[in-house]
Amino acid sequence: KQEVTQIPAALSVPEGENLVLNCSFTDSAIYNLQWFRQDPGKGLTSLLLIQSSQREQTSGRLNASLDKSSGRSTLYIAASQPGDSATYLCAVQGDYGGSQGNLIFGKGTKLSVKP
Amino acid sequence: DTGVSQNPRHKITKRGQNVTFRCDPISEHNRLYWYRQTLGQGPEFLTYFQNEAQLEKSRLLSDRFSAERPKGSFSTLEIQRTEQGDSAMYLCAVSGVHEQFFGPGTRLTVL
Repeated sequence: KQEVTQIPAALSVPEGENLVLNCSFTDSAIYNLQWFRQDPGKGLTSLLLIQSSQREQTSGRLNASLDKSSGRSTLYIAASQPGDSATYLCAVQGDYGGSQGNLIFGKGTKLSVKP
Repeated sequence: DTGVSQNPRHKITKRGQNVTFRCDPISEHNRLYWYRQTLGQGPEFLTYFQNEAQLEKSRLLSDRFSAERPKGSFSTLEIQRTEQGDSAMYLCAVSGVHEQFFGPGTRLTVL
């Protein structure tokens, strides 16, 4: 059974700092891995998708890496801003013979960026 | 704009009442998913549709829950005889080429 763990559960940093959020998963047979952002009481916003054959993806100040064999992904946020404050969720999608499965989520990392 | 709308956004009901939520993707998507999220947890998979066919249901989906996607476009999720443990955010998602896009969710509170 696939399990996704995110560390730390919460993180508070001063504005401008670079930071890394960690995600680990127990079954390396994944189709892809997706990072989401969730603001309080809101739905999920997709940030980055890494397919199983890829090692990293970048979007603006965000960079996500994937090491499928070790079951790990990191989300790097450069030059953090107060507007980055949110919960960041990591999710893996199972690979069923090339067919997409449902997403399995971690519990998230709650990020607070102080001005 | 995620391309997925959900209604209502908030629902407060009394224990034992039935509730129905609706998910409307803006454009055509073959796959549509329902997830449930409780406070402090990540979303958990409930069920998914390939066009109008419901192909998978998780063990979280008790017999009080039913979902439909009659024409392969919008979907409804009904909960009968609601219980306080049903209080959660119910999220709908559609699948693009590779990634999933989520709607804003329906927040259910059962008193």
